[in-house]
Formats: sequence, C-alpha cells, structure tokens
Amino acid sequence: GPKVLQIPSHQIIDMGQMVTLNCDPVSNHLYFYWYKQILGQQMEFLVNFYNGKVMEKSKLFKDQFSVERPDGSYFTLKIQPTALEDSAVYFCASSLEGEEVFFGKGTRLTVV
Amino acid sequence: AQSVTQPDARVTVSEGASLQLRCKYSSSVTPYLFWYVQYPRQGLQLLLKYYSGDPVVQGVNGFEAEFSKSNSSFHLRKASVHWSDSAVYFCAVSIGGNTRKLIFGLGTTLQVQP
Repeated sequence: GPKVLQIPSHQIIDMGQMVTLNCDPVSNHLYFYWYKQILGQQMEFLVNFYNGKVMEKSKLFKDQFSVERPDGSYFTLKIQPTALEDSAVYFCASSLEGEEVFFGKGTRLTVV
Repeated sequence: AQSVTQPDARVTVSEGASLQLRCKYSSSVTPYLFWYVQYPRQGLQLLLKYYSGDPVVQGVNGFEAEFSKSNSSFHLRKASVHWSDSAVYFCAVSIGGNTRKLIFGLGTTLQVQP
C-alpha cells in the first residue's frame, strides 16, 4: 500500500541546536500532518498542512516549531532551538482527503 | 473537545481465542471513528473506520468493530486471533470537516500466546 517515509529513524541532537525531521509523503496526497508521541503516552496531534499553509496546530506546536514543504518535496518539521522536552517519536502522516490517513514509522528524536 | 479512552493497557489472549479491545469516546458530535494497529518498528496502519450507517464495520485481517452511540463506544473484535496479531492497537476519533486531526487513545498492547 501507500507508504510514508521518514528519515532518519533516530536522531540525537544537543539541546539548543536546530533539528529538521524529514518526511516523504505519499506522492498524490494533499494533506500532511505531524504527530508527537512521548514514550508511554498517547500520540498527539501537532499540526496539519494543506496547500502550502498550516491549517491547524495544537498547543504542543510551540513557536520553536515550523513546517514546510518546498516545491512538493519533503514535508519537514523544524525545531529551533530544541529543548529536552522535545524528545519523543515524531510521526509524519499524509492523506488525499481527510479520512484515510497514512503514517510513517516515526523518527525518534533524543535531545541531550 | 474530543477524547478517547482505551481502558485496557495490555490484553493477553491465547491463539485461536476471541478478542475484544475496548474503546470509548467523548465528543459533542458523532465523530468519525478509527482503529489503527502498530506492529513493532512499523508505522500505524488503518484497520477499519466508521463514518455512518451500519454500526458494524468490517476491516482487514478479520477484524470488525461496532459503533454504539448510546454507549459512546467503538469496540474492536476478532473471532479467532493469530500470533501475528500481537501489536499495539489504537482507537482514534476525528470530527472531520475542516478539522482533520485524529485524537488517539493511549493504545492497547495485545499479546497473543501460542
């Protein structure tokens, strides 16, 4: 079936540094999402993105977070600067419309 | 605001036994309802979804779920589990429309014993 690819699977970054998480969504999809899952807790919505714009973001989507998809390439989540509490698994997802959402395997971000 | 409760963090069943994983939701409107499964080192995969109509929906691999508006529930069932069904199962809701975010439960870890 359709696949969402996330690169890398694990990233370790020093606190205060910038990190960019990359996502290759399903090729004909129009809606893109990031979710955050802290170990042992539920997966929580961060942001969704459509037609080059953020449609909705949650309170977890801090000012240090940004998303973009330049020229239809990777859909990225940038955190600048990173904080210890940003350590989590970040899942990228995409959908053609809103109903069936396809998820990647996640990128485990460790901020040290 | 919507919320999802999966009361069982872990369920252990024997291979061949029947299964029910519970999910209750809270929402001011009838939401769209989903079950996702996450196998080790994999992304989430959609098992089944409910939008409207017949409250019993069929999914992949013999799974089905039943929507109950009166109980605000969407329990997942399978008549006979296989060891390969061992995974984490997430119930999720969405109110659809312009809001396309999914609200997830904490998940239920299913272990199928041989």
